[in-house]
Amino acid sequence: GAGVSQSPSNKVTEKGKDVELRCDPISGHTALYWYRQSLGQGLEFLIYFQGNSAPDKSGLPSDRFSAERTGGSVSTLTIQRTQQEDSAVYLCASSSRGMTGRETQYFGPGTRLLVL
Amino acid sequence: AQSVTQLDSQVPVFEEAPVELRCNYSSSVSVYLFWYVQYPNQGLQLLLKYLSGSTLVKGINGFEAEFNKSQTSFHLRKPSVHISDTAEYFCAVTRTGTASKLTFGTGTRLQVTL
Repeated sequence: GAGVSQSPSNKVTEKGKDVELRCDPISGHTALYWYRQSLGQGLEFLIYFQGNSAPDKSGLPSDRFSAERTGGSVSTLTIQRTQQEDSAVYLCASSSRGMTGRETQYFGPGTRLLVL
Repeated sequence: AQSVTQLDSQVPVFEEAPVELRCNYSSSVSVYLFWYVQYPNQGLQLLLKYLSGSTLVKGINGFEAEFNKSQTSFHLRKPSVHISDTAEYFCAVTRTGTASKLTFGTGTRLQVTL
């Protein structure tokens, strides 16, 4: 079946602009995660959604970052007033459940963001 | 909090040679352990995971890993590598019994040459 998909695959923007990154999880998966992969910081957790529960936003680096998940499926990560240090690959993952830690997270191909 | 250390940033190896990629973790609570592989310009793919039971875990593509609780290690091994194994390998942990956000190591670049 279809895996996790992300769009766009690449995004170039100017400093100060807002960007939106989209993630389509695997159908039926209730848990959705955003991670960021950058040269300086490695792979970092950003935010986690589980069903209708309040999201875990503990990994968001600043209030310029926000995410939503509509209808328990598609998620959008928004970065406002982008800065050059936001340049990174943004990875989305989903899993069938997210309550025990045993679940496998399936990753999308990522969105490569470059802020000029 | 949990942390993961992958001491080797790069590991060069000849094709058909054995390889071991090292992973050590630190946590005050029990954890599950994972190895993911990332091929160029792709997302992460699960190689294997340790949840409980036998400390030797077998994964895809001939990889295996051994959980050692006393040494807090989860090293990845393959007895004979192939050119196609060239990739970045990430060790990760998550707390047991809670929301499963992953904490990753910094990755090890495995470079297989002829």
